Amino acid sequence: NAGVTQTPKFRVLKTGQSMTLLCAQDMNHEYMYWYRQDPGMGLRLIHYSVGEGTTAKGEVPDGYNVSRLKKQNFLLGLESAAPSQTSVYFCASSWWREGPNTGELFFGEGSRLTVL
Amino acid sequence: EDKVVQSPLSLVVHEGDTVTLNCSYEVTNFRSLLWYKQEKKAPTFLFMLTSSGIEKKSGRLSSILDKKELFSILNITATQTGDSAVYLCAVADPMEYGNKLVFGAGTILRVKS
Repeated sequence: NAGVTQTPKFRVLKTGQSMTLLCAQDMNHEYMYWYRQDPGMGLRLIHYSVGEGTTAKGEVPDGYNVSRLKKQNFLLGLESAAPSQTSVYFCASSWWREGPNTGELFFGEGSRLTVL
Repeated sequence: EDKVVQSPLSLVVHEGDTVTLNCSYEVTNFRSLLWYKQEKKAPTFLFMLTSSGIEKKSGRLSSILDKKELFSILNITATQTGDSAVYLCAVADPMEYGNKLVFGAGTILRVKS
């Protein structure tokens, strides 16, 4: 059972380049999230999706776009990368709002992005 | 603004010691508090707490929530080197759909043999 899979695991970009991070989950979860993790700042929510075809902004959405064309996939795009976007990016998914473990997120293994 | 504060930021202990990690929070709406353990990669789920005063236990780890004072503690007894990790506290703030998890910065625990 793969769970949540992120690709690529590592990427180095130059300022101004674009790229897309792909997240795929095989647990039939409705909700998917993109977080970034920076030293001393914990995990911060970038964008999230409550179902196929829907997306919404999180805490730090600027400079990122997302799409959820299929229920199992959630894409995070950087149109013009900046050094401030150097970070480790985590995708996560979860069940419905109501459930035995409401709130529990299942995380991918992270994607380390460096912008030079 | 929702806020989750963890303390200490880091600590070093010897195998066999007992440690207590702290998490305090201020959120607009509270649904649950979660603890995660993060080693090299993805955070893995430890506990979810929704009710005050009820201790959750899993082996040498235990956690309790105080909703009146807005904090939680995570205890690890008889620590082992495998407990070395970053421990993350998060509070679930319900949105119209799903939950928004607000994370603390984490506590870095290093257990020396």
